[in-house]
Amino acid sequence: AQRVTQPEKLLSVFKGAPVELKCNYSYSGSPELFWYVQYSRQRLQLLLRHISRESIKGFTADLNKGETSFHLKKPFAQEEDSAMYYCALRALKGGGGNKLTFGTGTQLKVEL
Amino acid sequence: DGGITQSPKYLFRKEGQNVTLSCEQNLNHDAMYWYRQDPGQGLRLIYYSQIVNDFQKGDIAEGYSVSREKKESFPLTVTSAQKNPTAFYLCASSSRGADTGELFFGEGSRLTVL
Repeated sequence: AQRVTQPEKLLSVFKGAPVELKCNYSYSGSPELFWYVQYSRQRLQLLLRHISRESIKGFTADLNKGETSFHLKKPFAQEEDSAMYYCALRALKGGGGNKLTFGTGTQLKVEL
Repeated sequence: DGGITQSPKYLFRKEGQNVTLSCEQNLNHDAMYWYRQDPGQGLRLIYYSQIVNDFQKGDIAEGYSVSREKKESFPLTVTSAQKNPTAFYLCASSSRGADTGELFFGEGSRLTVL
């Protein structure tokens, strides 16, 4: 069975400081990893996926299979980045389609 | 306005009663999902359906039931057998054919058992 671990419940940084939200996973096969974000009073939505290798809103995340990690990074935090962030894994075997396993989430608070 | 609509947003139930949460989507998505969100536990999958008239149990299906009679609808029934039903419930959908892994979520339904 797959598992996603986000060790920090809350991460508080100052505006302009670098941000790193940690995500580790366990899965015996080849996974797909995602970051979802929930801003205050908004729906949960996809932020980025590892397969796209793109930067969204200044955030990047690299899949490190050796360390089984998919940490989310941003060099300079902005106030509007304050939100709840979830790391998620999709197992590419097993026929589960887009069934995702989510981590417990990290609340990011960017202070002025 | 395209998207996923969950109703009701807030629901109160007495112990021993069944309650059904509605989820409707007009995105023409084949797959639909129900997740439960609890503080400190993230999102946990209850049930999912990849096609009409078919659904599978997720990680915490006990005490819940679903049906998928129409492509656009995936109601969740929280039965009296669910031992701790007070929670926030999220419905999602995705395009089964597209290999994106992107789920589109509703605004959620908060169930409180009195």
